[in-house]
Amino acid sequence: DTEVTQTPKHLVMGMTNKKSLKCEQHMGHRAMYWYKQKAKKPPELMFVYSYEKLSINESVPSRFSPECPNSSLLNLHLHALQPEDSALYLCASSQDPTGANTEAFFGQGTRLTVV
Amino acid sequence: GESVGLHLPTLSVQEGDNSIINCAYSNSASDYFIWYKQESGKGPQFIIDIRSNMDKRQGQRVTVLLNKTVKHLSLQIAATQPGDSAVYFCAENMEYGNKLVFGAGTILRVKS
Repeated sequence: DTEVTQTPKHLVMGMTNKKSLKCEQHMGHRAMYWYKQKAKKPPELMFVYSYEKLSINESVPSRFSPECPNSSLLNLHLHALQPEDSALYLCASSQDPTGANTEAFFGQGTRLTVV
Repeated sequence: GESVGLHLPTLSVQEGDNSIINCAYSNSASDYFIWYKQESGKGPQFIIDIRSNMDKRQGQRVTVLLNKTVKHLSLQIAATQPGDSAVYFCAENMEYGNKLVFGAGTILRVKS
């Protein structure tokens, strides 16, 4: 299984809503990532988890709250988002955060629209 | 055909021709580089990677070249096919700890 699975595929939410994006991998990877991608732009790194601990936070606003409940799951909790937060949210995983660098596998993303 | 990256340029090539996609990376300390392909509505898909102790690596129909002196990376696709049409991103790992950062991307369009 070389898949990273993200749910939901599409999400429309109001600015006062609370929602969560979910990501799952069963490759035994110990690094997991959240990226945000706007149209015609490259993915922008938001968070990195290494061994279930937050290792990188790229100064993301607190209305985005990541969570790594175990080595296979990664969540992104959303609250009080703005319309400019509408984007494709990508989850990725890679094998070993502290060993030789290895490729990151990406999910298909969640297309988020904030209204 | 060739392209220079960082502003999402478009490279149009004829089916069967070779394609060269270029990327200038930013951090001289980066030690690992990946090329990704992203089709519309999908997540990035791994194509090929290269470590900083190499200057060339070949895969199936693809070759990555790394020039650390000028911080330049290129992806060569041989005998380009319509299924190669996508956006191509280079990514650099900027520090030990998996801070993988993407370049701006290049749109590849293959004409039949």
